[in-house]
Amino acid sequence: AQSVTQPDIHITVSEGASLELRCNYSYGATPYLFWYVQSPGQGLQLLLKYFSGDTLVQGIKGFEAEFKRSQSSFNLRKPSVHWSDAAEYFCAVGARGGSQGNLIFGKGTKLSVKP
Amino acid sequence: NAGVTQTPKFRILKIGQSMTLQCTQDMNHNYMYWYRQDPGMGLKLIYYSVGAGITDKGEVPNGYNVSRSTTEDFPLRLELAAPSQTSVYFCASSYTGELSNQPQHFGDGTRLSIL
Repeated sequence: AQSVTQPDIHITVSEGASLELRCNYSYGATPYLFWYVQSPGQGLQLLLKYFSGDTLVQGIKGFEAEFKRSQSSFNLRKPSVHWSDAAEYFCAVGARGGSQGNLIFGKGTKLSVKP
Repeated sequence: NAGVTQTPKFRILKIGQSMTLQCTQDMNHNYMYWYRQDPGMGLKLIYYSVGAGITDKGEVPNGYNVSRSTTEDFPLRLELAAPSQTSVYFCASSYTGELSNQPQHFGDGTRLSIL
């Protein structure tokens, strides 16, 4: 069965420090991979996505993620965190060529930023 | 461009009451989805629709009903509210089910409490 694991429930980093949020997936083939961010009281906003090609993908707000097939991972990174990055981050997978188009989400990682 | 609009934003129901969560999108998307998000959990798919007049069950459909009479609207109905349905509900849409074409766009959510 398809699944997404985000091992870290809550992470706290200092403003200006680097960030890495982990995501591992279980899927029969290479899925489509996504990172979404959810600010308090808001819906989900797409940060970046991986479909094919270059395994390092750039997203909005200075985020990037690297797809590693051998590790079934799609970790999200940012070199210098800003206080406004405090939010909850969700990794998701979607089926290639799927007719449903639905996503399977991890449980999320809550990011807190210390001044 | 409003995107995906959900109403209401907050609602408190008594056990056994019924209500309809509204979702409308103005992007002419064919696919629409309803997810629920429980605390500490990722989003789980309740129902989805691939076009007007066509709906299908997702992972957690029990206790809910949907209809899709127009491309724009995809209401979610709770017939007999139960405490287990206390959650945040998200509506999403995409142009097709092929996620490489266009990922899902999310509304801001409806926070529902059943007391």
